[in-house]
Amino acid sequence: EPEVTQTPSHQVTQMGQEVILRCVPISNHLYFYWYRQILGQKVEFLVSFYNNEISEKSEIFDDQFSVERPDGSNFTLKIRSTKLEDSAMYFCASSEGRQPNQPQHFGDGTRLSIL
Amino acid sequence: DQQVKQNSPSLSVQEGRISILNCDYTNSMFDYFLWYKKYPAEGPTFLISISSIKDKNEDGRFTVFLNKSAKHLSLHIVPSQPGDSAVYFCAGAGSYQLTFGKGTKLSVIP
Repeated sequence: EPEVTQTPSHQVTQMGQEVILRCVPISNHLYFYWYRQILGQKVEFLVSFYNNEISEKSEIFDDQFSVERPDGSNFTLKIRSTKLEDSAMYFCASSEGRQPNQPQHFGDGTRLSIL
Repeated sequence: DQQVKQNSPSLSVQEGRISILNCDYTNSMFDYFLWYKKYPAEGPTFLISISSIKDKNEDGRFTVFLNKSAKHLSLHIVPSQPGDSAVYFCAGAGSYQLTFGKGTKLSVIP
């Protein structure tokens, strides 16, 4: 069964450094998403991406964050200058069509630890 | 922000019995509701969904019930199996984003 893959599984970064989290969505999917889960809290929506542009973003997704689809397969989340509070599990997801008709399929996440 | 609430952090059920997981919501704009299952060190896995215009959807051992007037939905698992032990998330969908509850940890005891 096709799946969403995320790399790395764990990223440790010094505060203030830039970090790029990578995702390979399911190949025939057209909609891409990033979520995060801070330890002990809910999974929170960050951003959705379709047709090479952001379709929706949350208040969390401020100017420090950016997303990109640099080629036909990868989807990346960049945090420009990391803060301690960016430490979380980051999940990438993709869907064949637009919500709510098509379920989003999630990767196993990247654990980001900011020191 | 408590648009989706799962008030039971954990639930223990004997193998073979029914598991009932509950979810309440406040946002009337959700068009669909979804249930996801999550094992440790893995991402959420889609289980079952229901449109806001339906009151029941069934898929094998999993049934989701929606009570719009009470803004309440539930997931029934019958019969429960040890492999069902996981964290279950309820989510509402109205646009591009999913709004999740905090999850309920289900333990199925052999």
